[in-house]
Amino acid sequence: NAGVTQTPKFQVLKTGQSMTLQCAQDMNHNSMYWYRQDPGMGLRLIYYSASEGTTDKGEVPNGYNVSRLNKREFSLRLESAAPSQTSVYFCASRERFTYGYTFGSGTRLTVV
Amino acid sequence: AQTVTQSQPEMSVQEAETVTLSCTYDTSESDYYLFWYKQPPSRQMILVIRQEAYKQQNATENRFSVNFQKAAKSFSLKISDSQLGDAAMYFCAYRSAEGNRDDKIIFGKGTRLHILP
Repeated sequence: NAGVTQTPKFQVLKTGQSMTLQCAQDMNHNSMYWYRQDPGMGLRLIYYSASEGTTDKGEVPNGYNVSRLNKREFSLRLESAAPSQTSVYFCASRERFTYGYTFGSGTRLTVV
Repeated sequence: AQTVTQSQPEMSVQEAETVTLSCTYDTSESDYYLFWYKQPPSRQMILVIRQEAYKQQNATENRFSVNFQKAAKSFSLKISDSQLGDAAMYFCAYRSAEGNRDDKIIFGKGTRLHILP
């Protein structure tokens, strides 16, 4: 099925560990995004990539890095996880001249 | 910078009744898009309805309609004949029109809607 695929769906990390959240879309979309969702805070943009080879910071980029590996894939890396990064992470993509996003199903990350 | 405000963290409505969720936004742009997204307990983000700022006519999708007041920067969602499946978190969102540098979507903090049987 066409769409945005995120892996893993759930993850528990210890403080200081690193990990990479993977995101891939098969719709040939140009733009890809990473958001985090916290209770009472809505979705906040971490990083986005308007096209292959470009990335830009969003509202809450500290503690994260991203890689737009190719047009399909956009990964989010936590180099040294902190409890404040406990959240649900969403990847999304969009084709230019279309209106909204296609979202992945999210990754629930807990840092203990 | 654009902002989106949802002033109602939670709302409840009786099944089959009508409910209106409020949203206001702030922008200096004249051309943009507004959205309502639904997030049920499954966590999936589902686009409910969208509105182009250049259109005066309010968007409608079956039981869902919006009241778009551009001058007041208000964008409310009306759900008619509420059903149990409408229970979810609802997010209001804003995006600049094409051609603007920042095409990212900005979300409000959400309104959790409960449907009472």
